[in-house]
Amino acid sequence: SAVISQKPSRDICQRGTSLTIQCQVDSQVTMMFWYRQQPGQSLTLIATANQGSEATYESGFVIDKFPISRPNLTFSTLTVSNMSPEDSSIYLCSVEPGQGFGEQFFGPGTRLTVL
Amino acid sequence: ILNVEQSPQSLHVQEGDSTNFTCSFPSSNFYALHWYRWETAKSPEALFVMTLNGDEKKKGRISATLNTKEGYSYLYIKGSQPEDSATYLCALGGNEKLTFGTGTRLTIIP
Repeated sequence: SAVISQKPSRDICQRGTSLTIQCQVDSQVTMMFWYRQQPGQSLTLIATANQGSEATYESGFVIDKFPISRPNLTFSTLTVSNMSPEDSSIYLCSVEPGQGFGEQFFGPGTRLTVL
Repeated sequence: ILNVEQSPQSLHVQEGDSTNFTCSFPSSNFYALHWYRWETAKSPEALFVMTLNGDEKKKGRISATLNTKEGYSYLYIKGSQPEDSATYLCALGGNEKLTFGTGTRLTIIP
């Protein structure tokens, strides 16, 4: 397993601003993921962030809106840029330690409200 | 786009009663089915990873079954306790990704 922390745990932001969310893992992992859960929706994958390569974004998500950094094997950031109320969500990072069958371990999430 | 569906959306159960809910998924090209429990303000916690048709897994009072031919999994909770209150998510694994359902929000009434 892996222990994952996220900062901030919650924030209230004004529209048009940006927020950077940090994700720290207690062990080195290659595969890291960023998800979003909008109210009433399922957890939706934003992008896969593997160290040493550019993040891979899912359909409907673009780098300009959600830039991601992955400077090493224990840390990543997701920025939510030029925010609008539609970006109000819980954002989670997760890792896949490679123990088999794609099991992922999640951080506690960042609850974002955009006014 | 994979369609993973969970039902019911929400459920209220009396403490001590048993309950179950469903995860439905496309049966073609099955790789793995994951169950998670997500309590408010906490990390989603992995419960089970199921890979074989007919699999049945158990963790304390919680168990799950898998039917890959017809594309469904059931999660059972026996003798519900207040600490079981959470959202239960299933996710279909494959292509190095997880595709999640919308979850079943379970509330245990003391």
